[in-house]
Amino acid sequence: QKEVEQNSGPLSVPEGAIASLNCTYSDRGSQSFFWYRQYSGKSPELIMFIYSNGDKEDGRFTAQLNKASQYVSLLIRDSQPSDSATYLCAVNMYGGTSYGKLTFGQGTILTVHP
Amino acid sequence: GAVVSQHPSRVICKSGTSVKIECRSLDFQATTMFWYRQFPKQSLMLMATSNEGSKATYEQGVEKDKFLINHASLTLSTLTVTSAHPEDSSFYICSADGPLLAGGYNEQFFGPGTRLTVL
Repeated sequence: QKEVEQNSGPLSVPEGAIASLNCTYSDRGSQSFFWYRQYSGKSPELIMFIYSNGDKEDGRFTAQLNKASQYVSLLIRDSQPSDSATYLCAVNMYGGTSYGKLTFGQGTILTVHP
Repeated sequence: GAVVSQHPSRVICKSGTSVKIECRSLDFQATTMFWYRQFPKQSLMLMATSNEGSKATYEQGVEKDKFLINHASLTLSTLTVTSAHPEDSSFYICSADGPLLAGGYNEQFFGPGTRLTVL
């Protein structure tokens, strides 16, 4: 079983729709969870960060965390063609502060078509 | 915002040569930096954790004698790929632990990556 698992997609949604990206993780001790966006040939950029159960909203993005189910998701509302990218779920498997070793999922390719 | 640079952005070398990649935190000090490797259409795989002033911690399966890491200052870590071979061709990305986010967790800031091609 992979430590961090994502549906690799591709996920295709029409412009203006909601894109829903999912991620599950294996280590119950995981403390913090990150969503990164990566454009082709570029390095990842942080979109959302969550560490408490529930929802966290930032603009068009909402992260949802359910530690009991070991599940974290990212919703993108009013999807735009510029949102087309690979979305990486990353998990801090070891908890704590300062030692932020991340384990990444394989990424979900999102395509938003006009 | 926190900025991490990498140099070079792209390098092509012959098999058997060594290549050094630099990772710098430009506007903050980073006690901890991380080196990742990403093959085409795959995710980031952590190679090693680099701590300033101490030896790097390598992930299982990563040859420490082949991938030499030096973190000599709070703003610079280097990765040297020794005796590179075509299978080492990849996208190498560094990141640095930046300022704390809410809840006391560090955000990692990623460099732009280095595309290594070994002929």
